[in-house]
Amino acid sequence: SAVISQKPSRDICQRGTSLTIQCQVDSQVTMMFWYRQQPGQSLTLIATANQGSEATYESGFVIDKFPISRPNLTFSTLTVSNMSPEDSSIYLCSVEGTGGASTEAFFGQGTRLTVV
Amino acid sequence: AQTVTQSQPEMSVQEAETVTLSCTYDTSESDYYLFWYKQPPSRQMILVIRQEAYKQQNATENRFSVNFQKAAKSFSLKISDSQLGDAAMYFCAYRRYMDSNYQLIWGAGTKLIIKP
Repeated sequence: SAVISQKPSRDICQRGTSLTIQCQVDSQVTMMFWYRQQPGQSLTLIATANQGSEATYESGFVIDKFPISRPNLTFSTLTVSNMSPEDSSIYLCSVEGTGGASTEAFFGQGTRLTVV
Repeated sequence: AQTVTQSQPEMSVQEAETVTLSCTYDTSESDYYLFWYKQPPSRQMILVIRQEAYKQQNATENRFSVNFQKAAKSFSLKISDSQLGDAAMYFCAYRRYMDSNYQLIWGAGTKLIIKP
């Protein structure tokens, strides 16, 4: 299993500013995943972060808007840049266990972002 | 492309009764994994149950069981003896292998309400 500490748990930010969300895992993991969950919606994958290489972004998400750092095997950050009210969402980081395809995913507690 | 469909945005059940949440998926693969995750108001996403497609036997975890119909591409979750703590969003997810890593494809979710 993996325990993920994600912070901040919530924030209210002014439009045009940036917020950096941190995720700390209690074990070394190869991949970390960042999701966005809009109110009442499902999870949408933003990007996959692999230590030592650039993150891989899903369609509709770009590095300039959501820069990701992955400095080591236990830590990652996601920055939401130049925020607008449309960025108000829950942001979740996730890792997977080491059991291959059958392994479960583990999640941080999420960051509830409100942009005003 | 793989898709996951949860056709019930919201379900309600009386405490101690049984409820079934539906999930269908579309894939051309023969071997894959399916998951049900629970997200309570605390936002912490938790694995409820998983099913390996090559196993015909339906997975069970205490009060939670699945009805896996591979030919019909159906993966429903049955919750027996519903408890107040079962109130949450429930997400069905399909795991695929893409770009050298595993990714989860998520359904839209079903909000489960437990009536005392």
